Amino acid sequence: GAVVSQHPSWVICKSGTSVKIECRSLDFQATTMFWYRQFPKQSLMLMATSNEGSKATYEQGVEKDKFLINHASLTLSTLTVTSAHPEDSSFYICSGRESNQPQHFGDGTRLSIL
Amino acid sequence: QKEVEQDPGPLSVPEGAIVSLNCTYSNSAFQYFMWYRQYSRKGPELLMYTYSSGNKEDGRFTAQVDKSSKYISLFIRDSQPSDSATYLCAMSVTAGTYKYIFGTGTRLKVLA
Repeated sequence: GAVVSQHPSWVICKSGTSVKIECRSLDFQATTMFWYRQFPKQSLMLMATSNEGSKATYEQGVEKDKFLINHASLTLSTLTVTSAHPEDSSFYICSGRESNQPQHFGDGTRLSIL
Repeated sequence: QKEVEQDPGPLSVPEGAIVSLNCTYSNSAFQYFMWYRQYSRKGPELLMYTYSSGNKEDGRFTAQVDKSSKYISLFIRDSQPSDSATYLCAMSVTAGTYKYIFGTGTRLKVLA
């Protein structure tokens, strides 16, 4: 149980384009979803937290206008990287949590901006 | 001082060995402790979830929490090459809090 599906797993796009990443909880209702960024050989860096139907809460230093998060249902959250540039290239991982249960993670999206 | 300290490794052990992975922390308010396993280019997978002090066992994995020493451990018995991965500890103050504090992760290599 507690499966989180994340798509796409890898995306390459040109600088200036926008990229949308989907995160779905398949067998539980994710009252809260989280978006992380991970650099090579480093730990997870929390970008933002979203509760279903509410605006996301962004961590300090994360540009909310660049990283748009939508959590429209209890099973789906999306992260849109707007006007992506090479410095936005990274591994993005989502997680979901039901009530007071631990977080379960998706398999991540490798984003490469040319 | 980081809130959670974890030796990055790499830790290399022969197949069949008992592996001990550890994290120390400074915030005495932490009550929930998690261990995740992360394979290369994959998301973290929850291995163990414990509350407060004590031991919890699940198959070849045992998690220990010593709140008096602010020290948690994950033991892997009969380690296998498939256990080669990065192991992340994570902690939170409450079950409902939205922030986990992660360790940097320990890279484990189990040699066949």
